[in-house]
Amino acid sequence: SAVISQKPSRDICQRGTSLTIQCQVDSQVTMMFWYRQQPGQSLTLIATANQGSEATYESGFVIDKFPISRPNLTFSTLTVSNMSPEDSSIYLCSAATETQYFGPGTRLLVL
Amino acid sequence: DAKTTQPTSMDCAEGRAANLPCNHSTISGNEYVYWYRQIHSQGPQYIIHGLKNNETNEMASLIITEDRKSSTLILPHATLRDTAVYYCIVRQTSRNTPLVFGKGTRLSVIA
Repeated sequence: SAVISQKPSRDICQRGTSLTIQCQVDSQVTMMFWYRQQPGQSLTLIATANQGSEATYESGFVIDKFPISRPNLTFSTLTVSNMSPEDSSIYLCSAATETQYFGPGTRLLVL
Repeated sequence: DAKTTQPTSMDCAEGRAANLPCNHSTISGNEYVYWYRQIHSQGPQYIIHGLKNNETNEMASLIITEDRKSSTLILPHATLRDTAVYYCIVRQTSRNTPLVFGKGTRLSVIA
């Protein structure tokens, strides 16, 4: 199994600003994933982050809005840029070992 | 797109078995059936997975039909803490393939 932590756990931000979410895994993993969960909805995959290469984004998500870093095999960051109220969601980090595990999420409210 | 169909919601009396169905009629031979749950305001929690044989662990049992087109997750003695959204997901074994979430089943365990 893998234990995943995220920082911050929650934040309230003003529109037009950016927030960087950190994700730490307690073991080395090749693939990490970032998801968004809008209020009352299921999880939607934002991107896949492979160490040493650029992240691969899903349809509807772009690097300029959600830049991702993956500097090593245990850490990744997701930045939500130029935020608007529509970005208010839970952002979840995930890592794949034999199965896929999730962090506790970052609850973001944009005013 | 999610390749599974689940009921939107179910109720279960505390102490009784909760049987959560899932249809996955287009499942491929190399795809596993995974079950996760998401308790309110937390990250998804892995429950169990299987290929074609029935599986049991400390949390639940997974029954997969012989044709693999459907499965049932069984929580043998549901408690109030089992109230959550349960997701049935089909996925290849490769850890490079991220989970794709559908809408899941909202299980309410009632005292």
